[in-house]
Amino acid sequence: DTEVTQTPKHLVMGMTNKKSLKCEQHMGHRAMYWYKQKAKKPPELMFVYSYEKLSINESVPSRFSPECPNSSLLNLHLHALQPEDSALYLCASSQDAGLKAFFGQGTRLTVV
Amino acid sequence: AQTVTQSQPEMSVQEAETVTLSCTYDTSENNYYLFWYKQPPSRQMILVIRQEAYKQQNATENRFSVNFQKAAKSFSLKISDSQLGDTAMYFCAFKKQASNYQLIWGAGTKLIIKP
Repeated sequence: DTEVTQTPKHLVMGMTNKKSLKCEQHMGHRAMYWYKQKAKKPPELMFVYSYEKLSINESVPSRFSPECPNSSLLNLHLHALQPEDSALYLCASSQDAGLKAFFGQGTRLTVV
Repeated sequence: AQTVTQSQPEMSVQEAETVTLSCTYDTSENNYYLFWYKQPPSRQMILVIRQEAYKQQNATENRFSVNFQKAAKSFSLKISDSQLGDTAMYFCAFKKQASNYQLIWGAGTKLIIKP
């Protein structure tokens, strides 16, 4: 199994809603990532978890809250988002230093 | 700080032709890694090829090969016998050896393969 599975694939939410994005991998990777990608732009790193501990937070606003319940799961909790937060959210995983990262298909988020 | 530049926003070629995507980078590091990632309309980012800076030999993966010129800080991707399924955004990326997790990405090149 070399897949990173993200759910949901699409999400529309209002600015007062609370929602969560989910990411799952069963490759035994110990590093998991959240990226934000705007249309026709490269991904921007948001968070990195290493061995289930938050390793990198790229100064992301607190309305985005990551969680790593176990080594296979990564969540991104969303609250009080703004329309400019609309984007493709990509999850990735890698083995340690990450010379090969595996990406999910992303969640297309629209904030209305 | 490291930077990655892809100077071709969009390219298109006929099926079966060969196409070369350019990438230049700037770094003061001596040891690092370079990557080409492909993102088709399905949105999933897929690693195409990786090059270690300490290796002189250019990396090859089937129809994909790179021309790595360390002194010139150039890292181009050649796709031979292009196929319709090669249509995608292609991103060049840089990784410091000392940095475990962070990739520096180029702006991307949209490649269209025409039938």
